[in-house]
Amino acid sequence: DVKVTQSSRYLVKRTGEKVFLECVQDMDHENMFWYRQDPGLGLRLIYFSYDVKMKEKGDIPEGYSVSREKKERFSLILESASTNQTSMYLCASSSIEGPFPYNEQFFGPGTRLTVL
Amino acid sequence: DQQVKQNSPSLSVQEGRISILNCDYTNSMFDYFLWYKKYPAEGPTFLISISSIKDKNEDGRFTVFLNKSAKHLSLHIVPSQPGDSAVYFCAAIPAGSNYKLTFGKGTLLTVNP
Repeated sequence: DVKVTQSSRYLVKRTGEKVFLECVQDMDHENMFWYRQDPGLGLRLIYFSYDVKMKEKGDIPEGYSVSREKKERFSLILESASTNQTSMYLCASSSIEGPFPYNEQFFGPGTRLTVL
Repeated sequence: DQQVKQNSPSLSVQEGRISILNCDYTNSMFDYFLWYKKYPAEGPTFLISISSIKDKNEDGRFTVFLNKSAKHLSLHIVPSQPGDSAVYFCAAIPAGSNYKLTFGKGTLLTVNP
């Protein structure tokens, strides 16, 4: 079974703090993703990584950065947290092998971040 | 601009009846569509998909219908079970990509015993 784990289920931070959200997958997947889920807005892609040290901006990258130093780990960084970054953050991974046109994305359980 | 729309935030049905969840899209470049299911406190899980070259795909109790001319797809669950109660997200992938999902806002389905 694919397992995607996220370092925290719940996190409370103060405005201006630097925040690290960690994601680890155990299936040797090449692709990793960070989404945020907000009520009434669905899931929106923040960043995507297709290889170690490689990244692409998603639809809402402003205020975020990412790091992928190892294949299994993908970190989302909030350099200076703001209240509008209060959200549910979901990490996902997928393989580049498998049926085209879609390689299933496997999601972690999410991190509920509150910025006060 | 929202390219994938789920206009019903919630739907309530009785156990054993049919649940129909709807999704509309605006981007004609989308050529692959998926439904994801999400329980509270869990990540979304893939449910069923359909290619734009088909108009129907069936997997057990779940059937997805695609009407390309109307840019509309629907997910049918028959018969509905209380365990189907979850948020359902419609998602789409543009031609040439195999990873860039665009999600709708989701529909909360409640199946009453």
